[in-house]
Order: sequence, then structure tokens, then C-alpha cells
Amino acid sequence: EAGVAQSPRYKIIEKRQSVAFWCNPISGHATLYWYQQILGQGPKLLIQFQNNGVVDDSQLPKDRFSAERLKGVDSTLKIQPAKLEDSAVYLCASSLDIQFTDTQYFGPGTRLTVL
Amino acid sequence: AQSVTQPDIHITVSEGASLELRCNYSYGATPYLFWYVQSPGQGLQLLLKYFSGDTLVQGIKGFEAEFKRSQSSFNLRKPSVHWSDAAEYFCAVGGRTGANNLFFGTGTRLTVIP
Repeated sequence: EAGVAQSPRYKIIEKRQSVAFWCNPISGHATLYWYQQILGQGPKLLIQFQNNGVVDDSQLPKDRFSAERLKGVDSTLKIQPAKLEDSAVYLCASSLDIQFTDTQYFGPGTRLTVL
Repeated sequence: AQSVTQPDIHITVSEGASLELRCNYSYGATPYLFWYVQSPGQGLQLLLKYFSGDTLVQGIKGFEAEFKRSQSSFNLRKPSVHWSDAAEYFCAVGGRTGANNLFFGTGTRLTVIP
């Protein structure tokens, strides 16, 4: 079974530029998550989708971050414009459904460096 | 509000020695608790989880964890560490019902010396 795929793996941009990350969850998984992991910290949930609807985006900085999952499968996370403090690893995860018994499977992440 | 504390930033153990990684949580209701491992350049992998029932849970790779409600702890243990266990370990607590969101601690980096 293929895991969660993310691209790109690495991205370097200058502040005020835009960037987008892509995630393809495990086939059949209804729930998709984006986490931000700053160096030295644990992952922090940014947004959670159930199919193509948003379940929780309370920690998403909506003035600069946006995410979509239009067809309930792939998802993109965008930052526009980027700030220095956005340098982090962005992790995508998926689970079969939304219950706590549904294990979250994580992708390898995209490491973003903002100069 | 949920929170997780991992008091040890970095632990070094000798190969073959026993291991215990500490985790304390804060949560108003019955907690759902998890341990994940992150190897360099890889995503997080679930080691084990606790929802209810037996307070000693077994996981993959020979790991186990014990839930102690009175101490608000969920410590991870392994009787004999292998060099391949070197990685970052994260404890997490489940969020509100119906959302399946996780709150992670800051992690403990494990170094294994020969």
C-alpha cells in the first residue's frame, strides 16, 4: 500500500514570495491533515479536512495560509506571502476516517526555508 | 486545553540498555494518548496508542507504554535498545471528540551509543 506522498521535499524561497505544497493521501482515506513542525518543536495542526470539508482550521494563519481539498483526495497548502517564521517542515497526514481509533499516517514532509 | 510535556530534550543510552522516555499530559477528560517516532528525513510513525482498558500497552518494535492517570503520565519504555532506535520520539494527546486532531509534545531525541 502506497503511503502519503508529498512534494516538493525541499523548498527555499525569499520572504514575501509565495509557495505551495502538495499532498496525496493514502487511497480511500477520508480525513487529511496539515501540520507545521518548527525546528525543535512538535508538529502543530494547521488544518483538518473530512473529505472536501474543513473540520478544524483554528490554528491556520488565514491572512497568509490557505488550503484546499477540492475533490476530497489531493490537497494543496499555500503560503502567500511567506515570512521568515514560516520556515518549518510541513507534514501531511491522512486517516481512514475521523475517529480516534483511526491511525494518522504521515508523509515525509516538505522542508521550507524562508530567507 | 490539551497539552503535552516531554521533559527530556535529549537522552543518550548504550545499545542493549533499557530506555524510558517521559511524557506528562494535561487534558480535562479521558485522554487518548499516542507515541510517534520520527527518523531523520522520514515522516512520523505510530509506535502505540492508548484509548481505554489495560493501562500497559504494547507497540511495534518492542516498545511499551504505561498510562498512569494519577500521575498524568504516559511513559514509553523498551527493555533493550538497538542502534536503529536512534530517532526523535513524540508523545501526543488526542483533541476534541469528532476531530481526531493531535497535540504533540516537543519531542525527545534519542542517541544510541555502541
